[in-house]
Amino acid sequence: EDKVVQSPLSLVVHEGDTVTLNCSYEVTNFRSLLWYKQEKKAPTFLFMLTSSGIEKKSGRLSSILDKKELSSILNITATQTGDSAIYLCAVDAYNYGQNFVFGPGTRLSVLP
Amino acid sequence: SAVISQKPSRDICQRGTSLTIQCQVDSQVTMMFWYRQQPGQSLTLIATANQGSEATYESGFVIDKFPISRPNLTFSTLTVSNMSPEDSSIYLCSVEGTGSDYGYTFGSGTRLTVV
Repeated sequence: EDKVVQSPLSLVVHEGDTVTLNCSYEVTNFRSLLWYKQEKKAPTFLFMLTSSGIEKKSGRLSSILDKKELSSILNITATQTGDSAIYLCAVDAYNYGQNFVFGPGTRLSVLP
Repeated sequence: SAVISQKPSRDICQRGTSLTIQCQVDSQVTMMFWYRQQPGQSLTLIATANQGSEATYESGFVIDKFPISRPNLTFSTLTVSNMSPEDSSIYLCSVEGTGSDYGYTFGSGTRLTVV
C-alpha cells in the first residue's frame, strides 16, 4: 500500500531558528513529490520535485529529493512567525486507483 | 486519523457531460472540503460542504457548475457539470481532524480528463 510519512508531526521553534522537515514515501509508481503550506483551508503549493528536478529553492525555503532513500526534506532558515502552518508532503503516484498520497503533515509553530 | 475513500480514481469524459465524484469518510466529520489540483499549481479550494446546509463556494466557483451534496456526516459528492477540456484536473476531497488528530486528511483524488 502506498504511503507517505512525515516527521516530526509537531515542532515548536523560535524566530530565527532553522528547521528541517522530513518526508519519506513508499509508492509503486513515483512521478513527483510536492510540498504544501497549509494555514487555512487551501494548501499553498511550495515545491514540486521530480527525477529531473531534485533540488528547489525559494527565498528561505529549500527542498531536496533523495530518490535513493525515497525521501525529501524541506528546510526553512531564519524562521518567522508567519511560517507557522502545517506543512504537507504529497506524492503523485500514477497508479490505477491512486493519485495523490498525502502525508499527515508537520505542524510548525514559530514563537516570537 | 480519518480515512477517506474517493471514487472514481480517474475517468475520461466527453465534453458536455457530467461526472459525480464521491468521498466516503470512515468517521463523522462536520466539514468536508473539495479542491482542484492542476499540474504545478496550488490546490484550489472549490467549496466547503457542511452537513445540513448548502455548500459554501469560493470565488470563481458556482453551484450550477459544481453542485455538491452532503447528505450525512460521512459522505459527500461533487459533480462537475457540462464539462469542457478546461475542467481536466485532479479533484480532491479532504476533512479536518479534530482534537489530537489536528491535520487534514485527503482523499486520493479523481484524475479527470475531458475530451
